[in-house]
Amino acid sequence: QKEVEQDPGPLSVPEGAIVSLNCTYSNSAFQYFMWYRQYSRKGPELLMYTYSSGNKEDGRFTAQVDKSSKYISLFIRDSQPSDSATYLCATRRTSGTYKYIFGTGTRLKVLA
Amino acid sequence: KAGVTQTPRYLIKTRGQQVTLSCSPISGHRSVSWYQQTPGQGLQFLFEYFSETQRNKGNFPGRFSGRQFSNSRSEMNVSTLELGDSALYLCASSRAGQNNEQFFGPGTRLTVL
Repeated sequence: QKEVEQDPGPLSVPEGAIVSLNCTYSNSAFQYFMWYRQYSRKGPELLMYTYSSGNKEDGRFTAQVDKSSKYISLFIRDSQPSDSATYLCATRRTSGTYKYIFGTGTRLKVLA
Repeated sequence: KAGVTQTPRYLIKTRGQQVTLSCSPISGHRSVSWYQQTPGQGLQFLFEYFSETQRNKGNFPGRFSGRQFSNSRSEMNVSTLELGDSALYLCASSRAGQNNEQFFGPGTRLTVL
């Protein structure tokens, strides 16, 4: 079993839709959670970074962490064609390491 | 503020050769991590350097090695290249300290023929 599971998609939605992207993780030692966006032929770009359970909002993006069920989500409101990219969730332990564990990524396409 | 830079951006090698990739972190960032990204396996952690010392290592064979210089710039080396080493190699930097985010460079796309 992979330490972080993520549905690879692809996920196609119409412009303006609310997008929900999800990951599950297996190890309760993971305490930091990140979402990255990666455009084709580019490096991942950090979108959200959170430590605690609950919601964190940044513009049209909301990251949600539920440590009790080991479930993390990213919501995108009013999705735009420019949001079309691969979204990667990532996690790591609290101490002693910068070893990030990544999901395989979900490919999102927002249709104009 | 300049981001993470990686050189070269593209590289074509043949089996058996070796390759060296370079990464310059964001100014002030002392930690540099390397990742391999392939369609099948996704992003996999190779190693992390901090203050010229390897602090963490992933599950890759010894053909993959790296180093960090006093100015925090880092290089990774792959010897005796195999076809399966074809991938996007990504470098990420972060400040010292456990709570700091990682920022990625654009990557070096390596093709092994």
